Amino acid sequence: DAEITQSPRHKITETGRQVTLACHQTWNHNNMFWYRQDLGHGLRLIHYSYGVQDTNKGEVSDGYSVSRSNTEDLPLTLESAASSQTSVYFCASSEGRGSSYEQYFGPGTRLTVT
Amino acid sequence: QKEVEQDPGPLSVPEGAIVSLNCTYSNSAFQYFMWYRQYSRKGPELLMYTYSSGNKEDGRFTAQVDKSSKYISLFIRDSQPSDSATYLCAMRRGDYKLSFGAGTTVTVRA
Repeated sequence: DAEITQSPRHKITETGRQVTLACHQTWNHNNMFWYRQDLGHGLRLIHYSYGVQDTNKGEVSDGYSVSRSNTEDLPLTLESAASSQTSVYFCASSEGRGSSYEQYFGPGTRLTVT
Repeated sequence: QKEVEQDPGPLSVPEGAIVSLNCTYSNSAFQYFMWYRQYSRKGPELLMYTYSSGNKEDGRFTAQVDKSSKYISLFIRDSQPSDSATYLCAMRRGDYKLSFGAGTTVTVRA
């Protein structure tokens, strides 16, 4: 069955370290998204991509970067981790530019920055 | 002011009760309206989707959209303990980005 996976599921890192969170989907979806979820804020969009070599900033992109070298993967990098980036991170994907609307979410990565 | 406002609750109801959830929004460009359900320590999953104003039913779930008031609702009839989750409203314009509410945590007591 097609799916979307994230790794690691839990990560503890120190302030200032570079961290990369992986996201892999097997639906062959063009669109991929990264969100962070914090109490009281719901899901906030960090970065998104509509296809290979395409990346765009979301509403909370400072301190984060992504790259899209193939259809299946959209890794999220925290350049220099800060305590404010302690959060639960979700990756999602959806079909290409058609009428499809549903985003499929991964299981999440719980990141703690100490 | 956030684009999408949702009361985070928490909401606790007895089994069999009707659960009523709602969101308001400020941007009239939103065209598509969704409700996602998220169980503890899981990713959100799509529950309901509506495009136009009006009602949509799916089993025990009813979604309502009132574009003139910029108000959407989700009703859960005959609630079950398995309905205990966080419910997030989400909206999008013509592109594929979603704007989410903060989520309402619901507990259905057996």
